Amino acid sequence: DIQMTQSPSSLSASVGDTVTITCQASQDIYNYLNWYQQKPGKAPKLLIYDALNLEAGIPSRFSGGRSGTHFTLTIRSLQPEDIATYFCQQFESLPLTFGGGTKVEV
Amino acid sequence: QLQLQESGPGLVKPSETLSLTCPVSGDSISRSNFYWGWIRQPPGKGMEYIGTVYYSGSTYYNPSLTSRVTISVDTSKNHLSLKLHSVTVADTAVYYCARLPQQPTIDGPRGYFDYWGQGILVTVSS
Repeated sequence: DIQMTQSPSSLSASVGDTVTITCQASQDIYNYLNWYQQKPGKAPKLLIYDALNLEAGIPSRFSGGRSGTHFTLTIRSLQPEDIATYFCQQFESLPLTFGGGTKVEV
Repeated sequence: QLQLQESGPGLVKPSETLSLTCPVSGDSISRSNFYWGWIRQPPGKGMEYIGTVYYSGSTYYNPSLTSRVTISVDTSKNHLSLKLHSVTVADTAVYYCARLPQQPTIDGPRGYFDYWGQGILVTVSS
């Protein structure tokens, strides 16, 4: 199975900050990576697909990046409604695997 | 708007079978080019992929669970189901159902989950 190592596990930031979350894949997964946002008691929401593409309806302050097997989710100008847990998911090969999650707090 | 909602017992005894359903509203589960899947999250841990099913009944299971899991669809009721047999405390988790938009290919169900249920906590305890 492909291992997805996500960091940090939690972070504290202020409104207006730029926040970066990373996922490191255990092997080359090309751009086969997605990012999700999850708020307590709510269904997870797709933010970024294929590493770089913003899902429809998601604010443009969210962006995805890739350098080799290293992937980033960046939130520019953090808003109070962005308080959530974020996690990545690879789909280069089955079984699909996920990062451990990053809890973003203010 | 597509909606999924997991339902089933919140408490299951060790060695018994965990059974969940996920009614789909707002669309037909029989639409082509969509898989339907189950994912779980044990307390304090990351998400774990359980498996997916196509409306035709074709399934893919995580090899770590394949000996104990059955995922199916009931097109007449427009829902998908999960059965996990011989559960232990390690199966305690929040269970999610979700949709994976993809045309069936030889590579299997690979892609993103675009709609998720809110999840249901299932505790395995005597």
